[in-house]
Amino acid sequence: QSALTQPASVSGSPGQAITISCTGTSSDVGAYNYVSWYQQHPGKAPKLMIYDVSYRPSGVSNRFSGSKSGNTASLTISGLQAEDEADYYCSAYTSSSTLGVFGGGTKLTVL
Amino acid sequence: EVQLLESGGGLVQPGGSLRLSCAASGFALSSYNMHWVRQAPGKGLEWVSHITSSSSTKNYADSVKGRFTISRDNAKNSLSLRMDSLRVEDTAVYFCARGLEMHSSGWYFDYWGQGTLVTVSS
Repeated sequence: QSALTQPASVSGSPGQAITISCTGTSSDVGAYNYVSWYQQHPGKAPKLMIYDVSYRPSGVSNRFSGSKSGNTASLTISGLQAEDEADYYCSAYTSSSTLGVFGGGTKLTVL
Repeated sequence: EVQLLESGGGLVQPGGSLRLSCAASGFALSSYNMHWVRQAPGKGLEWVSHITSSSSTKNYADSVKGRFTISRDNAKNSLSLRMDSLRVEDTAVYFCARGLEMHSSGWYFDYWGQGTLVTVSS
């Protein structure tokens, strides 16, 4: 069981927007603005898409955005494209003995 | 161009040991904290271990504490993970990932290697 809870799957049609949630606790997501999101295509390494809740690394499309409310962080992808179909993982710093945790991952299907 | 290249994976029996290496290039390894993250077949990501730029602080997931040891050699641009008392549940692809620049705050991994597969089986 992962420390952060994500929906197992989401789907959307090209051009639509989708949101993936990531629910933690007051010891991780709720405690710090240190939430990051990763995109992973099959057989590939993860790619950083969002860091510090809402910042995009250079080169990441502005169709990707992040936010947080309480113990839940969210990743929104607007203007869905076929290439966005992948697994998405959230991660957060935690004050527990484990330094950081990941969500279980969400499979995004572009219909 | 930042590159991370893992090596050392393979098949090992339960109770055995293995040492993974990560060769870094394209940036000053000595300025960055580094991590190991693993992914069991068909499963999600799991953070494994972290080491600060100067090796002053090392952290481990509860699942590997006491069995795994992270280390680095900045002069050789290399990161390592020594894995002892391996269990079947340690079977995974192990990724080397770059963390924050030293003295920075936050939690993210901005560059990843392609991973090396460790299989623990009799």
